[in-house]
Amino acid sequence: GIQVEQSPPDLILQEGANSTLRCNFSDSVNNLQWFHQNPWGQLINLFYIPSGTKQNGRLSATTVATERYSLLYISSSQTTDSGVYFCAVWAGAGKSTFGDGTTLTVKP
Amino acid sequence: DAGITQSPRHKVTETGTPVTLRCHQTENHRYMYWYRQDPGHGLRLIHYSYGVKDTDKGEVSDGYSVSRSKTEDFLLTLESATSSQTSVYFCAISTTPGTYEQYFGPGTRLTVT
Repeated sequence: GIQVEQSPPDLILQEGANSTLRCNFSDSVNNLQWFHQNPWGQLINLFYIPSGTKQNGRLSATTVATERYSLLYISSSQTTDSGVYFCAVWAGAGKSTFGDGTTLTVKP
Repeated sequence: DAGITQSPRHKVTETGTPVTLRCHQTENHRYMYWYRQDPGHGLRLIHYSYGVKDTDKGEVSDGYSVSRSKTEDFLLTLESATSSQTSVYFCAISTTPGTYEQYFGPGTRLTVT
């Protein structure tokens, strides 16, 4: 199956700092999504981004499908951004792979 | 809010007992999924459905069965629960045909003692 690697595994920031999370995947995919899992365990859909660039407020994402990587940018981080960020890819409905996540801690 | 509910939200059961988890959606989306999440890891697909009575296996389907008799409900059954099935179970739906873009329910925390 498709391999997904996320980096860094852990990230600690001061409030207001910017960060970049990376997701590398090993093969062509139909779908790529970024999720935020908050401290209460809820999975929040951030971006559906199989290719191109999208922005939503302080967050933006870019996927370069030909080079098999995606980046999630968080600007002016807030304590509420803390949690685990997952990248996930799908090569079909039944062929999903999640990365192990990046744990982000934003300190006040 | 994708209109997904899961029940129960928490359950403790004993080894060897059957357990059924329910996922309910308020819209008529065709694709529904069951995943499990173990500590320190991302989600792994158990089973998915692409319509009423149409289901298929995912990566970790051993020990699980599913049923979908109505569009809005997707049931996951552990026929005889084992301690290795202690996990958090998430249901998901795809809302946009052809993209597999997924939205997740709140999860069910299952403990098998």
